[in-house]
Amino acid sequence: DAGVIQSPRHEVTEMGQEVTLRCKPISGHDYLFWYRQTMMRGLELLIYFNNNVPIDDSGMPEDRFSAKMPNASFSTLKIQPSEPRDSAVYFCASSLPTSGWRYNEQFFGPGTRLTVL
Amino acid sequence: EDQVTQSPEALRLQEGESSSLNCSYTVSGLRGLFWYRQDPGKGPEFLFTLYSAGEEKEKERLKATLTKKESFLHITAPKPEDSATYLCAVLDQTGANNLFFGTGTRLTVIP
Repeated sequence: DAGVIQSPRHEVTEMGQEVTLRCKPISGHDYLFWYRQTMMRGLELLIYFNNNVPIDDSGMPEDRFSAKMPNASFSTLKIQPSEPRDSAVYFCASSLPTSGWRYNEQFFGPGTRLTVL
Repeated sequence: EDQVTQSPEALRLQEGESSSLNCSYTVSGLRGLFWYRQDPGKGPEFLFTLYSAGEEKEKERLKATLTKKESFLHITAPKPEDSATYLCAVLDQTGANNLFFGTGTRLTVIP
């Protein structure tokens, strides 16, 4: 398996522009997560899906952020309009926990490093 | 407020020198505590889940333990390839999305 795939790996954009981050989870996994990592705040859970349905988006910082999962093999995280404080590494992860919590046995993608100028 | 604190922030060990990393937490009821390893430029890699005080998990040179207030990640006879940042996260009982991460311990193992 190729693991969780994210694109692009690096994104540089200007303030006010729309940014779309993409994720392909591991085939067969039924949970998908979006995280953000910064030096100041560490790793934060933004939203997660179960069977393509958004379950909890309470970690999404503002209405400028939105996430979708149109099918089991694809998800997007969109920021519109982007701001410099959105600069971070965004990770997608997926899981098919054999026992216990959905956070068990998560596989993370390589991340997208976003820089908003 | 729920908090997760990891110590030390950074640790340098000689190859073969065993040590422990600490993750202390204050949450409103613990559902689970998770350990991850993160290499530079990569996503975290899941290591362990611990559910209740007294539980222990092992994987190669790593052993995770849990008490009611903290967890330890013991590293026995580390090798240079164990160099990474180790993150812990806790899930509390109050809500579905309350997963809190610590800021990590950056471990360097010197040959």
